[in-house]
Amino acid sequence: NAGVTQTPKFRVLKTGQSMTLLCAQDMNHEYMYWYRQDPGMGLRLIHYSVGEGTTAKGEVPDGYNVSRLKKQNFLLGLESAAPSQTSVYFCASSYTFFGGQGGEQYFGPGTRLTVT
Amino acid sequence: KNEVEQSPQNLTAQEGEFITINCSYSVGISALHWLQQHPGGGIVSLFMLSSGKKKHGRLIATINIQEKHSSLHITASHPRDSAVYICAVNGLRGAQKLVFGQGTRLTINP
Repeated sequence: NAGVTQTPKFRVLKTGQSMTLLCAQDMNHEYMYWYRQDPGMGLRLIHYSVGEGTTAKGEVPDGYNVSRLKKQNFLLGLESAAPSQTSVYFCASSYTFFGGQGGEQYFGPGTRLTVT
Repeated sequence: KNEVEQSPQNLTAQEGEFITINCSYSVGISALHWLQQHPGGGIVSLFMLSSGKKKHGRLIATINIQEKHSSLHITASHPRDSAVYICAVNGLRGAQKLVFGQGTRLTINP
């Protein structure tokens, strides 16, 4: 099993450009999450999904959109990139939600995004 | 003040030493996670616990719900344990989301 994979691994964008980050998991997990990690800020939840066709806002959703058309995929979109979105983005999945049995998070390898 | 505080922020030790990393949180929670992030960036979930103690190999995690405190212990530390260890809690003030600590950077010297 590949676990959780993310593409691309690195990307440089100019301000105003758009892009989509893809997360895929092969563990049949219902729950998927997008986080960003910034120096001194720790991990912060951007959006999450509790199942195919569902999405919900996390702590820092502004400037991002997500879609979960298939259970195994969770896409994160930046419609008009800004330098403040320079960060490392991690996708994660879990069998159940954070606090329940099976709530352990499985993380992807991360995408390093630079917006100039 | 952060709702999840880790200490120490940085820890350097010699191979073989017993390591303790602490995590304190401000109000009641439903679960606490310990994560490990290696220098390459990948994040691995080590433990999720809501009470008591869990052990996996040389790693032990404990939680004291009354004192709102958790510890991660590493016995017989090894240079490959060098990583950032992150505590995260779910259920602060009833919210279903993970709130992360700032992480503890551990360096084990041979």
